[in-house]
Amino acid sequence: QKEVEQNSGPLSVPEGAIASLNCTYSDRGSQSFFWYRQYSGKSPELIMSIYSNGDKEDGRFTAQLNKASQYVSLLIRDSQPSDSATYLCAVNSAGYSTLTFGKGTMLLVSP
Amino acid sequence: DVKVTQSSRYLVKRTGEKVFLECVQDMDHENMFWYRQDPGLGLRLIYFSYDVKMKEKGDIPEGYSVSREKKERFSLILESASTNQTSMYLCASSLQGQPQHFGDGTRLSIL
Repeated sequence: QKEVEQNSGPLSVPEGAIASLNCTYSDRGSQSFFWYRQYSGKSPELIMSIYSNGDKEDGRFTAQLNKASQYVSLLIRDSQPSDSATYLCAVNSAGYSTLTFGKGTMLLVSP
Repeated sequence: DVKVTQSSRYLVKRTGEKVFLECVQDMDHENMFWYRQDPGLGLRLIYFSYDVKMKEKGDIPEGYSVSREKKERFSLILESASTNQTSMYLCASSLQGQPQHFGDGTRLSIL
């Protein structure tokens, strides 16, 4: 059974701080890793994809992947109140069409 | 940009009715998915399809069926709606190994 674990939160950070969201996964055959942002009442929106070990930066977002530790994280720099949402980690295993989703971490950014 | 369109944002039906939820994508993706999302339970995969007329059960297929007669369209059918099927339903599509892109969701209430 493939599992993706996330702390449910809420993670509370002040505006301008760095928010760090973490995710662990159980399947060592996992090859593709994604972060989605979901506002309340809305559908998930893809914000980052990462496929190899190391860091990948896109604007204020940095995804970090460590396959040896089966760990993927998302850093949000200069957090804004508009970043307040639930962040879902999703993992794809080689040869599978499906993604395994974590249950998400709620982030609250206070002004 | 990928566009996944779900036929209704809000839908109210009665118990015992047969309910159809429609999803259309415009990016020639081979994979299409139906999820339901409930508070505290995360995203749960109902069915997916990796090609026309092909379907695979997800984690919670009971009480549901699907149809994929054309590559761009994937329908979810509630054979006889029950109150425990009240939920947010999300359709997604993807290429193999790539991230899934979600529609806006259908909030379905069964009375």
